[in-house]
Amino acid sequence: AQKVTQAQTEISVVEKEDVTLDCVYETRDTTYYLFWYKQPPSGELVFLIRRNSFDEQNEISGRYSWNFQKSTSSFNFTITASQVVDSAVYFCALSELGGTYKYIFGTGTRLKVLA
Amino acid sequence: DTGVSQNPRHKITKRGQNVTFRCDPISEHNRLYWYRQTLGQGPEFLTYFQNEAQLEKSRLLSDRFSAERPKGSFSTLEIQRTEQGDSAMYLCASTSGTVINEQYFGPGTRLTVT
Repeated sequence: AQKVTQAQTEISVVEKEDVTLDCVYETRDTTYYLFWYKQPPSGELVFLIRRNSFDEQNEISGRYSWNFQKSTSSFNFTITASQVVDSAVYFCALSELGGTYKYIFGTGTRLKVLA
Repeated sequence: DTGVSQNPRHKITKRGQNVTFRCDPISEHNRLYWYRQTLGQGPEFLTYFQNEAQLEKSRLLSDRFSAERPKGSFSTLEIQRTEQGDSAMYLCASTSGTVINEQYFGPGTRLTVT
């Protein structure tokens, strides 16, 4: 069965600290996609990154970086030098090829960055 | 490209009433999804349209729920005889293509059933 686990319910950090959000997934498929979305207080989900199961290269985009490890079924997200504007709920999602490509979301991690 | 829009943004209704939500996807996006998000949870898939065809419905979508996408453009989600358990944020997302592209989400409709 497909499942996404985000064990960290809430994390609080002080501005400029680095923070890592964990995501562990379960799937029986060999081909799948993983996503991270940000949900700020306004409520609209904002796309951050898409990664397919054949591409295990880490990715960096500005202060954001992602570490994908198939061996541990994890797709972790790190924010470097956090800022107050990073405060939001972050969701990891899984989608499998074939069918509708619907997302299976984790329960999200609420990040609070304190000034 | 104006993004995915949803109306209304908020809806308060009494138990037993019917409600209808509208989603306008990004133009030319042929794939449209509805999700439901309750407090403290991630969004859960409800139903999927490819053009005007409804191709999948979640078991979460009881007989009281119906969705349409006439002409493959906007979509509506209707809930009949609302119950307090229907209170949630209803999210619409759209995308295009035949491979897995990211879904673009609307701002959601927050439903409160009193």
